[in-house]
Amino acid sequence: EVQLVESGEGLGQPGGSLRLSCAASGFFFSRYAMHWVRQAPGKGLEYVSTINTNGGSTYYADSVKDRFTISRDNSKNTLYLQMDYLTTEDMAVYYCAREGLSGSLDYWGQGTLVTVSS
Amino acid sequence: EIVLTQSPGTLSLSPGERATLSCRASESVFSNYLTWYQQKPGQAPRLLIYGASSRATGTPDRFSGSGSGTDFTLTISRLEPEDFAVYYCQQYGASPITFGQGTRLEIK
Repeated sequence: EVQLVESGEGLGQPGGSLRLSCAASGFFFSRYAMHWVRQAPGKGLEYVSTINTNGGSTYYADSVKDRFTISRDNSKNTLYLQMDYLTTEDMAVYYCAREGLSGSLDYWGQGTLVTVSS
Repeated sequence: EIVLTQSPGTLSLSPGERATLSCRASESVFSNYLTWYQQKPGQAPRLLIYGASSRATGTPDRFSGSGSGTDFTLTISRLEPEDFAVYYCQQYGASPITFGQGTRLEIK
């Protein structure tokens, strides 16, 4: 059974940092591109970042570029999102998701809540 | 980036009725890499339709997707109580991935 489990939920201060993790199981993690998507309270889905299978290629939404860093450790079946220079606009539930067929995101984690407040 | 516009914003229907949800792209979606998701309160999105018209594993056959280029449709042939949720379209024909703003399907 495919499972994605996020961790790292917490409270960050404006200008501070947080790191999210996403532990994958039930599939060959190293064979799939992975993504982060977020959802602010009461709002829609917003794309955050993408990483290819070996971590050599990454992509970021303009809203997080130069502040967030996506990475992966295929030996640990884990995806990461390092979030620096946090702002209140970054408050959201963050989901990790596996890339499936035809550009879909076929499996999602349960989400982890990031709160940014002083 | 490709902007996806979903309509209507809210759709009020009764169980047993047919639902038609629209997703329009600001430019053609390459290879029809258009996906539909269902999201219920407090849950992660669930993949329904990929490649514009292919049902994901476990998607009931009352759900169907159609369209190409810039205009896509999700149709639910006969609404069941569990279908009332928010539906999102998403494209990955071009980077970055973008999502529509969602259509809320509510019980009339």
